[in-house]
Formats: sequence, structure tokens, C-alpha cells
Amino acid sequence: DTAVSQTPKYLVTQMGNDKSIKCEQNLGHDTMYWYKQDSKKFLKIMFSYNNKELIINETVPNRFSPKSPDKAHLNLHINSLELGDSAVYFCASSRTGSTNEKLFFGSGTQLSVL
Amino acid sequence: RKEVEQDPGPFNVPEGATVAFNCTYSNSASQSFFWYRQDCRKEPKLLMSVYSSGNEDGRFTAQLNRASQYISLLIRDSKLSDSATYLCVVNMGTGFQKLVFGTGTRLLVSP
Repeated sequence: DTAVSQTPKYLVTQMGNDKSIKCEQNLGHDTMYWYKQDSKKFLKIMFSYNNKELIINETVPNRFSPKSPDKAHLNLHINSLELGDSAVYFCASSRTGSTNEKLFFGSGTQLSVL
Repeated sequence: RKEVEQDPGPFNVPEGATVAFNCTYSNSASQSFFWYRQDCRKEPKLLMSVYSSGNEDGRFTAQLNRASQYISLLIRDSKLSDSATYLCVVNMGTGFQKLVFGTGTRLLVSP
């Protein structure tokens, strides 16, 4: 069974559309994250949630809205998509969110905005 | 200055070679350090944590120099399967996990 699963794997859409990416973890972890990896392969944190509460919001445009219905799920909704949103988005989780824990990543969602 | 800096490479080495990667970080208060590995078009996976006294895991040795804010990874007896991008990762959160990734160093091991 996949520990951290995200869907879809590929997402191709037009500028201006609204899209969502879903993420689920079956590890029983308390903390989940969204990371963005751009075309230069730079991986940057966007959000983290601990037990459904927002912990980190890294000055991400408010077109990006994470939603955590329960601690096993962290979805990412993006409004009014722009060309610059094209990237690979990785969901991740860790056991409690404390500082020395291993992150488990999903396999990524490649978003292409045309 | 970037929060975590690495030489992007690529490092091209023959099988069996020893190769070392370096990384510097900007926040002197950082307490947790890691090396992650990312294969092409795959997700990052933890290779090893980096401890103050240095630590070894098989062919891999990690070192931390807090005074110089410098982390290293040494790979001995390189295998073809070691070809990947190696990401230096520093926790910049205080009391919570906020991992900051370097841009990665690409390693290509050839026969």
C-alpha cells in the first residue's frame, strides 16, 4: 500500500482555470505538507498542517488554498491558474511535525498550465 | 545568500570512485540536517540524517561543521545505482518541522 498518495499524477489545464490536487496518507501521521518543485528543480515548502491546523504558510498567493478535512488528508485547491504555477507539487507527511523527523513524500503531481 | 547552497554539478565519476558533496546553510540556529536523494521524475527520499559527531551508513558518510555552517556527504565505492540528485536539507523551523532544501547536486556514475 502506498504510504502517501496524491492524485492526479498529471494535470494539464488552461490559464484561468481552477483545479485541485488531493493527498492522503495512511501512516497515521499528524503533520502533512505541500511542496512545490519548479522547473529549476528547486523544492520549496508551501504549507504544513498539524492535526488539521495550519502551521506554515510560506507567503503563497491566496489563489492557493489548502484544505485538511482530517489529519489523513491535505488537499490543495488552486484558483485562476497562471503559467508560473506549472511545477511538480509534492505532498508529504511526518509523524508529529517535530524537527528531526523523516518526511515521507508522495510521488508528485506534475501540473502544466497552458 | 540562499538559505541552503549546493554545487549543482553534475559530478561525473566512474564506478568505484569516491565522491564528496558539500553544502552550506545560512541559519546558524538550525538544529537538524539531512541528505535526501531524488531520482529523475521521482519523489525525494531520506538518505540519512546528519549528526554533530558525523555518522556513517554503509558506503555513505555525513559530516556537520556547525562553526562553518557546512555539511558534507561522502560516497565511497560508487555504484551505477547511486546516480541521482542529492539534496542537502536543513530544518529552519523553531519547534516545528520546516525543511529547506538545497537545489541538489547531480551525480552520474558511469561504467
